[in-house]
Amino acid sequence: EIVLTQSPATLSLSPGDRATLSCRASQSVRNYLAWYQQKPGQGPRLLIHDASNRATGIPARFSGSGFGTDFTLTISSLEPEDFAVYYCQQRNDWPPVFGQGTRLEIK
Amino acid sequence: EVQLLESGGGLVQPGGSLRLSCGASGLTFSRYAMSWVRQAPGKGLEWVSSIGGNGVSTYYADSVKGRFTISRDNSKNTLYMQINSLRAEDTAVYYCAAGVSPWAVPGVGYWGQGTLVTVSS
Repeated sequence: EIVLTQSPATLSLSPGDRATLSCRASQSVRNYLAWYQQKPGQGPRLLIHDASNRATGIPARFSGSGFGTDFTLTISSLEPEDFAVYYCQQRNDWPPVFGQGTRLEIK
Repeated sequence: EVQLLESGGGLVQPGGSLRLSCGASGLTFSRYAMSWVRQAPGKGLEWVSSIGGNGVSTYYADSVKGRFTISRDNSKNTLYMQINSLRAEDTAVYYCAAGVSPWAVPGVGYWGQGTLVTVSS
């Protein structure tokens, strides 16, 4: 089973800062890596699919990069609504596991 | 607009059963592989099970294999999960989702708001 490790566990930043979130896979997932945002009481929201493609309606400040085992989600300039929990997820193979999440909190 | 609406959660005793449902609208339901993903209180997301668009192929997490059964009725645009032999560790919000599995069409990411299952005596 593929294991996804996200870092850091918690990221404390201020609005306007740049955020860089990491996701490392225990084996190659090619480009089949997605990023989700989750806010309290809500279902996850797809941000990035296939490593670097923004989902429909996602602002341009969100970008994804990486291939194989190392992936990055970058938020270029944080807005107040961006403070949430972020998960990566692979769909290259069964089971389609999630990372443990990165909590992005206001500093 | 695509909407997924889960129902059927509730409080159940250990060893009990529940049937979760997920009604879909705004999409051609039979074209999408569907999944159940759960989230224990204060924890991360855990994939539970997936089913292909035609309902033939299914996959399960080891933690639920033999106790959970995923199914769908494309004529009713509805996804189901029969949950038997419930344990305390099954307590979670259960989400239905399209776009999670290796069968997923790129760019698809539809999720419901979830239904809470609580296993307690």
